[in-house]
Amino acid sequence: NAGVMQNPRHLVRRRGQEARLRCSPMKGHSHVYWYRQLPEEGLKFMVYLQKENIIDESGMPKERFSAEFPKEGPSILRIQQVVRGDSAAYFCASSPRDNPREKLFFGSGTQLSVL
Amino acid sequence: AQTVTQSQPEMSVQEAETVTLSCTYDTSESDYYLFWYKQPPSRQMILVIRQEAYKQQNATENRFSVNFQKAAKSFSLKISDSQLGDAAMYFCAYRSEGAQKLVFGQGTRLTINP
Repeated sequence: NAGVMQNPRHLVRRRGQEARLRCSPMKGHSHVYWYRQLPEEGLKFMVYLQKENIIDESGMPKERFSAEFPKEGPSILRIQQVVRGDSAAYFCASSPRDNPREKLFFGSGTQLSVL
Repeated sequence: AQTVTQSQPEMSVQEAETVTLSCTYDTSESDYYLFWYKQPPSRQMILVIRQEAYKQQNATENRFSVNFQKAAKSFSLKISDSQLGDAAMYFCAYRSEGAQKLVFGQGTRLTINP
């Protein structure tokens, strides 16, 4: 089992461009969570998705950010018209079930740098 | 809303010694879960230990143990016989019984001195 795979590991964008971050959960996991980590801070929850459904997006900024988890393929976190404040590490985690007793498995994150 | 506070931005300890990292949290719930995660320079988030609030017994994983004080809303991590590989950022996290998301503290950077 390859674990949670995130790519790219590093992404550089200029202000105004779009950023697409991909997350392939562990095999058999249908629950995906996205977190953002600003420099020298803890991770902040953004969104929780199951296959083809957004369950909780309470941590997502209202504009420019969107997430999806299609029936086939990885989960995508999309940031339109990036600004310098979007520079952060974005982490994806997955679990097989929505149960607090289930262990969350994290990817190694994507470091987004906005020039 | 729940909050998690780690009051020690940095800690250091001599190799083979014991170190304790502090964490306090605020919640009105009675059922929840607490975690300690380790983040080495590779950025990978690694679960160190987990505690269910309904369990009075403190969780232990090899050299890692917690001191869970539910009434005081305190959840400290003790690392015994510190090793160089323990150097990392350590994050305390909270999860409600009925919620999906983790609430993280600000982190403590642990340095191990040889």
